[in-house]
Amino acid sequence: DTAVSQTPKYLVTQMGNDKSIKCEQNLGHDTMYWYKQDSKKFLKIMFSYNNKELIINETVPNRFSPKSPDKAHLNLHINSLELGDSAVYFCASRLGQVGGYTFGSGTRLTVV
Amino acid sequence: ELKVEQNPLFLSMQEGKNYTIYCNYSTTSDRLYWYRQDPGKSLESLFVLLSNGAVKQEGRLMASLDTKARLSTLHITAAVHDLSATYFCAVDMNTGNQFYFGTGTSLTVIP
Repeated sequence: DTAVSQTPKYLVTQMGNDKSIKCEQNLGHDTMYWYKQDSKKFLKIMFSYNNKELIINETVPNRFSPKSPDKAHLNLHINSLELGDSAVYFCASRLGQVGGYTFGSGTRLTVV
Repeated sequence: ELKVEQNPLFLSMQEGKNYTIYCNYSTTSDRLYWYRQDPGKSLESLFVLLSNGAVKQEGRLMASLDTKARLSTLHITAAVHDLSATYFCAVDMNTGNQFYFGTGTSLTVIP
C-alpha cells in the first residue's frame, strides 16, 4: 500500500487551462503539505493543512487553491495555468510536530 | 525567514573516497532532517536529528547536528556508485509547522 499517493504522475497541459492534482495518505498523519520543486530542485512550501484546517498559505498566486475534504486528502487546483507553473509538485504528510515528512511520488506539471 | 544553505552544491567524487556535505541554517532550531532524492523520484527520509550532538549512522552515511553552530554534516565513507543522488537537509523552526529545505547537494560517485 502506498503511504502517500499523488495523481497524476505527469500532467502536460496548455496555458490557460485549469487542472487538479490529488493527494491521499493512509498513514493517519494529521498534517499535509504541498511543496513545489523548481528546475533547480529548490523545494518551497505552498500550503499546509492540519486536520482539514489551513495553517500555512505562502505567497502563492491565488490561481492555486488547495482543498482538504478530510485529513487524509489534500488536493491542489490550479486555474489559468502559466508557463512558469511548470515544476514538480510534491504532496507530503507528517505525524505530530517532530517526525519527518513522508513524500508522495510527485506530479511533474508541464505547461506548454 | 529561516535560511538553509548547503555546500557544496555539486560534488563529484571517486568510489572509495570520503567526503562531507555541510548544512548551515540561520535561526535557532534543534530539529534537522536529511533526505535523498534520486533523479525523477521522490524524497526519501535518511535521518532525523532532534537534539544538539545527535549522531545517526546508516551504512556509509553518518549525520550529525551541532545546534550551537547551527550546522549539520552528512559524512560519506568509502563512497559507492549507489550513493549518487541529490541530498537535502531540512530544518524545522520548532513550531512544527513546516520544513525549510536546503539548496540540495548533487552527488555523483565515479567508478
